[in-house]
Amino acid sequence: QSALTQPASVSGSPGQSLTISCTGTSSDVSIYVSWYQQHPGKAPKLMIFDVTKRPSGISNRFSGSKSGNTASLTISGLQAEDEADYYCSSYATSFTYVFGTGTKVTVL
Amino acid sequence: EVQLVQSGAAVKKSGESLKISCKGSGYTFTNYWIGWVRQMPGKGLEWMGIIYAGNSETRYSPSFQGQVTISADKSITTAYLQWRSLKASDTAIYYCARRPPGGPFDIWGQGTTVTVSS
Repeated sequence: QSALTQPASVSGSPGQSLTISCTGTSSDVSIYVSWYQQHPGKAPKLMIFDVTKRPSGISNRFSGSKSGNTASLTISGLQAEDEADYYCSSYATSFTYVFGTGTKVTVL
Repeated sequence: EVQLVQSGAAVKKSGESLKISCKGSGYTFTNYWIGWVRQMPGKGLEWMGIIYAGNSETRYSPSFQGQVTISADKSITTAYLQWRSLKASDTAIYYCARRPPGGPFDIWGQGTTVTVSS
C-alpha cells in the first residue's frame, strides 16, 4: 500500500491561510482521514479526525475537508507556532492504515 | 492523565534481538487498540501494525509482516514491539499510539529511539 501524496512544503505569512492536500486512490482516502502535527523532536499530535472533526483543545483555526480522492487541511490565521510537519492518515480496510508523505509548513 | 510511556533508547548490533515497550495509564487499557509507527531518520511516518489490548488481536502492515512481532500484556497495561534479528535499517524512532475502536490515533507515546550498528 503506497503512501498518500502530500506536497513536500508549503509556506505562508503570519495571519494568512494555507491548505495542505493529501491525495490517494478512492480506497485509500476514506471517511476516516486524520491529520497530525509534528514539531521537531516531538511525537505527532492529532489535529483533525474523521475528515472534519477537531479533538478537544485543538484551535478552530485548523479545519479539514475532502473531495473525491483528496483530503485537505486548512490552517487559518497562520501563527509562528504552526510551523511543523503535517501528516495525513487514512484508515483503509481490514485494520490497515496509511500515512501521507508529510508536508513541512514554514511561517515566513 | 491519559498517557503512553515508552521504554528508553536502545543501542544494538545487527543480529541482536530487542523488545521495546509502551505502558498505558489513565484509561481502560483493554478498551483500546495500540498501534506502532516507525519514523526513520529525517523521514515520514510509517504504520507498522496494531493490537487490540482486550484480546491481543493483531494486524500488520504488509511491509512489516514477519519482520516484527506486536504483543500486549493487559495485566500490566503494556504493549510491545519486538525484533528477533535487528538490521541497520531498523534504526529509527518508534512511536506507539492509542486508537479507540472506530477512532483515530489520539494519544501518542514519546517515542523510542532504536540505533542498530552493523
